[in-house]
Amino acid sequence: EVQLVQSGAEVKKPGESLKISCKGSGYSFTSYWIGWVRQMPGKGLEWMGIIYPGDSDTRYSPSFQGQVTISADKSISTAYLQWSSLKASDTAMYYCARPLVYGDYHDAFDIWGQGTMVTVSS
Amino acid sequence: EIVLTQSPGTLSLSPGERATLSCRASQSVSSSYLAWYQQKPGQAPRLLIYGASSRATGIPDRFSGSGSGTDFTLTISRLEPEDFAVYYCQQYGSSPTFGQGTKVEIK
Repeated sequence: EVQLVQSGAEVKKPGESLKISCKGSGYSFTSYWIGWVRQMPGKGLEWMGIIYPGDSDTRYSPSFQGQVTISADKSISTAYLQWSSLKASDTAMYYCARPLVYGDYHDAFDIWGQGTMVTVSS
Repeated sequence: EIVLTQSPGTLSLSPGERATLSCRASQSVSSSYLAWYQQKPGQAPRLLIYGASSRATGIPDRFSGSGSGTDFTLTISRLEPEDFAVYYCQQYGSSPTFGQGTKVEIK
């Protein structure tokens, strides 16, 4: 079964760093891009960026460029989303997702992780 | 960046009725790179339609997508109880973006 399993919920203070993960299984992890999507409480979906684990080619939405870092470790089939200094406005659910077609990030997301809730509060 | 505007914000309908959801893009969406997702409370989004009109695996045929260029539509021919949810469109051409969502609620 193809699936993406994300790390658990996090509660952090402003200014702290954080790295959340997304582990792929049931498919060739290095052949598909993995994207990240933010959903703030009660709000819509926002496309953050995407990485190709095969060569770590990464693209960011202009809204998130410089705010987060996306990375991947292909040896353990895991993608990451990290912050160096969290803000209260980073409080949201974060989803990782895989496109339909291998090798192409211009594609719809057909496999989604269960989401990781990040709460940033003093 | 392409801005997607969905309308209406909320659609109040009864089971068995037809739902028509609109997604309008600020500029033409290349190669019909347009998808629709369904999201229920507490769940991750689920892909319904890609390529503007192709149903994803396992999606019932009461869901259909149409449109091209800047105007796209998701139609649910007869609403089932499990269809009441929030629906998002997404363009995945240049710098992918999502619309703000349409909530389909029980009237």
